[in-house]
Amino acid sequence: QSALTQPASVSGSPGQSITISCTGTSNDVGNYNLVSWYQQRPGKAPRLMIYEDNKRPPGVSNRFSGSKSGNSASLTISGLQAEDTSDYYCCSYAGSSTVLFGGGTKLTVL
Amino acid sequence: EVQLVESGGGLVKPGGSLRLSCAASGFTFSNYNMNWVRQAPGKGLEWVSSITDTSSNIGYADSLKGRFTISRDNAKNSLYLQLNSLRVEDTAVYYCARDQFGYCSGGRCYIDAFDIWGQGTMVTVSP
Repeated sequence: QSALTQPASVSGSPGQSITISCTGTSNDVGNYNLVSWYQQRPGKAPRLMIYEDNKRPPGVSNRFSGSKSGNSASLTISGLQAEDTSDYYCCSYAGSSTVLFGGGTKLTVL
Repeated sequence: EVQLVESGGGLVKPGGSLRLSCAASGFTFSNYNMNWVRQAPGKGLEWVSSITDTSSNIGYADSLKGRFTISRDNAKNSLYLQLNSLRVEDTAVYYCARDQFGYCSGGRCYIDAFDIWGQGTMVTVSP
């Protein structure tokens, strides 16, 4: 099992939109509607932002949205704010009671 | 308040053992599947292990099988991770995390998403 593939870094200006990609295989991302996304600030525990490909937990801004096509999933953040600067991780169920995380993407809001 | 609190981390020599604990409060622990996730210093998240609500189904990352053992005690609202034969590369913050909607169907168990996380406990493996 290999980690899901994410870009190492992305950046954007306040008010802009960015998209973070997450590429897996037909054994994980492409086989289940169980992709989730996490935000992690330095020294803090991760926070769930998106689950089941495109659902937002209570309390998460509607500026965050998730989508999926084939073996790839995406997290889009619209109306970027300085507070969105964080690391973001995708995650997918991978069968046999296992999970894979992506390598993480560092988002910088310039 | 819904909360997970890990403990048991520390400094251990290669080949040594540790037992991590995760105390749950503010929710019905026995209703949820639980997981361990770790993060090496400066690195990304790595899923370690999962256990269903009744301990009927357990999963491990391929790289860890045979060295780590997950367990739980629903009467004590506690999750555990026994770490044996520790290696330098096991150095990490270990988080426990609740699976919000994980379920079993047709003999298979599915991990949904981790909605509640603890603050983590640091495990350092060094000669």
